[in-house]
Amino acid sequence: AQSVTQLGSHVSVSEGALVLLRCNYSSSVPPYLFWYVQYPNQGLQLLLKYTTGATLVKGINGFEAEFKKSETSFHLTKPSAHMSDAAEYFCAVSQRGGTSYGKLTFGQGTILTVHP
Amino acid sequence: GAVVSQHPSWVICKSGTSVKIECRSLDFQATTMFWYRQFPKQSLMLMATSNEGSKATYEQGVEKDKFLINHASLTLSTLTVTSAHPEDSSFYICSARVQGTDTQYFGPGTRLTVL
Repeated sequence: AQSVTQLGSHVSVSEGALVLLRCNYSSSVPPYLFWYVQYPNQGLQLLLKYTTGATLVKGINGFEAEFKKSETSFHLTKPSAHMSDAAEYFCAVSQRGGTSYGKLTFGQGTILTVHP
Repeated sequence: GAVVSQHPSWVICKSGTSVKIECRSLDFQATTMFWYRQFPKQSLMLMATSNEGSKATYEQGVEKDKFLINHASLTLSTLTVTSAHPEDSSFYICSARVQGTDTQYFGPGTRLTVL
């Protein structure tokens, strides 16, 4: 069974500061990894994903994440926070194949607050 | 980019009635769609996997007779909440997987309130 842990349900940063949202996963084999963002009363928007290849993945809105197999982590970063980044962020994993292919397991979510 | 729509965006119904929620992939074909449920301040929980032309696969603990799923075409899946009760009030979100890929796109969600 897979699981995802996001450390910190709330993260607060100042505008222009580094954003770091942590995600660790548990899986018998390296899964596909995703970060999604959710604005209030909206669905989820894909920020980035890792499937194979380069472990540093760049996404939309200046976000990037690095897959570290040894640490089973996929932390999300952004060098300089904008007010518009305030939202809830979800880390998710899915199996690479088998009957559960495509099924996403989500972390608990991290609400990012950006202060002026 | 790929767009997934949901209709309605919100619905209020009386206890005991049934509500149908539609999920459409507007510009791509999706042989597989997923239905999630999200309670306030919580994460998304997968309810079921909807496959075009076959029966849906439900996650453990999800009542298939209560949450009826029909995937009638490559662009449309519906979720019907039957005999709704207040505890069914939630935010229901669908996603559609682009055929032949591992990428899912999410709909904007439907907020169901059962009085």
